[in-house]
Parts: sequence; C-alpha cells; structure tokens
Amino acid sequence: GENVEQHPSTLSVQEGDSAVIKCTYSDSASNYFPWYKQELGKRPQLIIDIRSNVGEKKDQRIAVTLNKTAKHFSLHITETQPEDSAVYFCAAQSNTGNQFYFGTGTSLTVIP
Amino acid sequence: EADIYQTPRYLVIGTGKKITLECSQTMGHDKMYWYQQDPGMELHLIHYSYGVNSTEKGDLSSESTVSRIRTEHFPLTLESARPSHTSQYLCASSGFGEQFFGPGTRLTVL
Repeated sequence: GENVEQHPSTLSVQEGDSAVIKCTYSDSASNYFPWYKQELGKRPQLIIDIRSNVGEKKDQRIAVTLNKTAKHFSLHITETQPEDSAVYFCAAQSNTGNQFYFGTGTSLTVIP
Repeated sequence: EADIYQTPRYLVIGTGKKITLECSQTMGHDKMYWYQQDPGMELHLIHYSYGVNSTEKGDLSSESTVSRIRTEHFPLTLESARPSHTSQYLCASSGFGEQFFGPGTRLTVL
C-alpha cells in the first residue's frame, strides 16, 4: 500500500517568515494530495489540495507544489502569523479513491 | 448546513463496557471513515466504507466493528473497552476527493 512520510515533525519560525513542510509518497498511482490544519482540540480542516495533473496551487498565503517524478509534495506558508500555529498533516489518496494515507504531522509554532 | 455529526462528544466509561460511537453526515458522501488520534499525533485508520453494506478494515480494526446500513450513518462499536482505547475518535466522509472530518469523540476508559 501507500506510504506517506512527512518532515519535519516540529517547526518553529518567527512571525513573518516562511514555513515549508515536505511529504513523500510511494505509490505513483496516487493522484490527490490534500493538506489539513488541526488546531488544538479541534478537527482537522482541509486548507489546500492538489491533483496530479497540476504542479502548483496557491491560495493567498499558502501554496502546495507537487513533483510527480520525485513523488514528493510540499506546503508553503508565507508571511506566517501566530494563528498559523497548529499541527499540519499531508495525505495521499489511493488510486481507487477509497482510502487516504496520512503523514505523521508537523507541529508548527509561529513565534510573535 | 452540510456537516458531520458525532455523539457523544465526551465519554468516560469503565473497563469491559460495550460502547457505540455514533457518526452521521449530511454531506451526501458515499465514503465514510473512522480514525483514532491521540492529541496532535498521527491519524490511524480503524475502518472505512465506500458505500451501503460495504465495510473495510484499517490498521486498528481488530477490537471494533462497524456497520453501514444507511448512507448517512456509520457507527463504531467497541465490544469490550480497555484503558488502551482511551483516545479521540474522528469520523470522516468523502465524495469525489475532499475528505471532511467530524468534531470527534473523546473517550476515556478507566
């Protein structure tokens, strides 16, 4: 089955700096890659996603890039703010479209 | 408003009890999932279903069962709760891509 690895496990940045979280996947047939943000005590919330026919997608301060050849995708947050502090999870969807495989999460802390 | 609902939100029970965690969705999604997650930690798939009368086991399925009799309803049953089951249980659903999560049930087994 699919294996998703996520790095780093923790990340601290100064407010205003950029943050980058990276994930790799093993199944070249995976074709959908969402990113979730989970604040303390709350449910994971979808913040951005990308499909395998697109190399990059941007939504205001967040962007995701996908390299299908290398089988890795990354989340980029620019101009970080304290409210960006949370745990972020990447995921890959199986080629059958039934199951999602999650990374182990990155705890992001934005220091004011 | 379309959403995913879970009840109870918090539950404290004794060892050996049988419990059912309820999940219902008004998203109109075919696929539903149960995950176990300790606070801030990785998500472990327990069971999933891609439609009525279909259920599949995930990584942590051995001590629980699910049923999918109606599209919108996907309950999870622990036959005999143990302290190791203390965790948060998240229900999720997806249609043709995006997966959405319910608010979770925080379970404590004494």
